[in-house]
Amino acid sequence: EIVMTQSPATLSVSPGERATLSCRASQSVSSNLAWYQQKPGQTPRLLIYGASTRATGIPARFSGSGSGTEFSLTISSLQSEDFAVYYCQQYNTWPYTFGQGTKLEIK
Amino acid sequence: EVQLVDSGGGLVKPGGSLRLSCAASGFTFRSYSMNWVRQAPGKGLEWVSSISSGGSYVYSSDSVKGRFTISRNNAKNSLYLQMNSLRAEDTAVYYCARSGSGDPHDAFDIWGQGTMVTVSS
Repeated sequence: EIVMTQSPATLSVSPGERATLSCRASQSVSSNLAWYQQKPGQTPRLLIYGASTRATGIPARFSGSGSGTEFSLTISSLQSEDFAVYYCQQYNTWPYTFGQGTKLEIK
Repeated sequence: EVQLVDSGGGLVKPGGSLRLSCAASGFTFRSYSMNWVRQAPGKGLEWVSSISSGGSYVYSSDSVKGRFTISRNNAKNSLYLQMNSLRAEDTAVYYCARSGSGDPHDAFDIWGQGTMVTVSS
């Protein structure tokens, strides 16, 4: 099983600032990596797939990068609605696995 | 509108069974692989099971293999999860989710609202 490790567990950032979240895979997942956003009491929402392609309707301030085992999600200028939990997921190899999540909170 | 509606959750005793359903609308259901993902209270996301567009290929996590069975009825635009021999650790919100294409190796682009399963005596 591929283990996905996200860091940090919690990230405190002020609105308007830049946030960078990291995700590491225990073995290569090529570019088969997705990022999801989940707000309290809500369903997960796909942000990025293929490591760097924004999903439909996702603002340009969200960007993803990386391949192989190292990935990152960057939010260029944080808006109030961006404070949430973010999960990475590999869909390269069964069983599909999620990271444990990074909670992005207001500083 | 593209939509997935989960149903079938509830309270069940350990060792019991439950069948979850997911009704799809607004897209050509038979063209997409489908998945179940769960989230225990206060915890992260856990992939449970996937099924190919035609239903020929199924994949399940080790934690549910032999107890849960994923299936689909393309004529009814519906996805199912039959859960047997339920344990307390199966307590979670269960989401159905669509893979972004017919290829099962794709991100989950549409999610249902989730249905809560509680396993307790």
